[in-house]
Amino acid sequence: KAGVTQTPRYLIKTRGQQVTLSCSPISGHRSVSWYQQTPGQGLQFLFEYFSETQRNKGNFPGRFSGRQFSNSRSEMNVSTLELGDSALYLCASSFRQGGGYTFGSGTRLTVV
Amino acid sequence: AQRVTQPEKLLSVFKGAPVELKCNYSYSGSPELFWYVQYSRQRLQLLLRHISRESIKGFTADLNKGETSFHLKKPFAQEEDSAMYYCALGKDQTGANNLFFGTGTRLTVIP
Repeated sequence: KAGVTQTPRYLIKTRGQQVTLSCSPISGHRSVSWYQQTPGQGLQFLFEYFSETQRNKGNFPGRFSGRQFSNSRSEMNVSTLELGDSALYLCASSFRQGGGYTFGSGTRLTVV
Repeated sequence: AQRVTQPEKLLSVFKGAPVELKCNYSYSGSPELFWYVQYSRQRLQLLLRHISRESIKGFTADLNKGETSFHLKKPFAQEEDSAMYYCALGKDQTGANNLFFGTGTRLTVIP
C-alpha cells in the first residue's frame, strides 16, 4: 500500500511569506502528526490531528497551524516565515492515536 | 516534564560485536516507548515498540521501569545496522499522545 506522501519535497520561501505543506496519510490511518527536524533541536512535535480535530499541540508559536480533512489528509501552515523556520517538516500517520507512526519523507523548507 | 535522553551522539562498533544504544526516560505515568531508525537517505521508520516485546532485525529492547531505561540491544552487529537511531516516548505529561524524541545516536558498524 502507498506510504505517507508529503508534498512538496522542497520549498524555498522568503522571510515574511507564508507556506502550506501537505500530507496524505496511509489509507485507513486517521491520526496524523507533524514534526519539525533541525540539526540544533532535533525532532520536535508540532501537532496531532485525529478525525479532523487537533488533539495535541507542541510548544510552537501560533504562526504554526494545521488542519485535517475528512479524508484524513492534513495540511500545515506557517505564516510570517522566519529564518529559523528552515527545517525538515515530517508528517506521520497511524491507525490510532499513540500507535507506531509511519513517517513520510518530509518537506525541506528553506527560508531566505 | 517528560524527557528522553540518549547519552551517546555517536557509537562505533565492529561487525559481529554486541551493540547497546542507551535510552533513559523521565515520565511520571505509564510510558509508551519506541525505537525509530533512519538509514542513510531513507525516511524515519519504526523499529520497535515496547508493548510488542518483539525482535526486529535482531534488535530487542526491554523496558526497565526501575531504571527508567529502554536500551536497544543486538548481540552481533551488522554493517547494514549503521544508521541513526531515535528513542521516543509516546505520551506527554498530560497523558496525550504524541512522540517525544531523544536526540538520537548515530551507530557506525565498522567492517
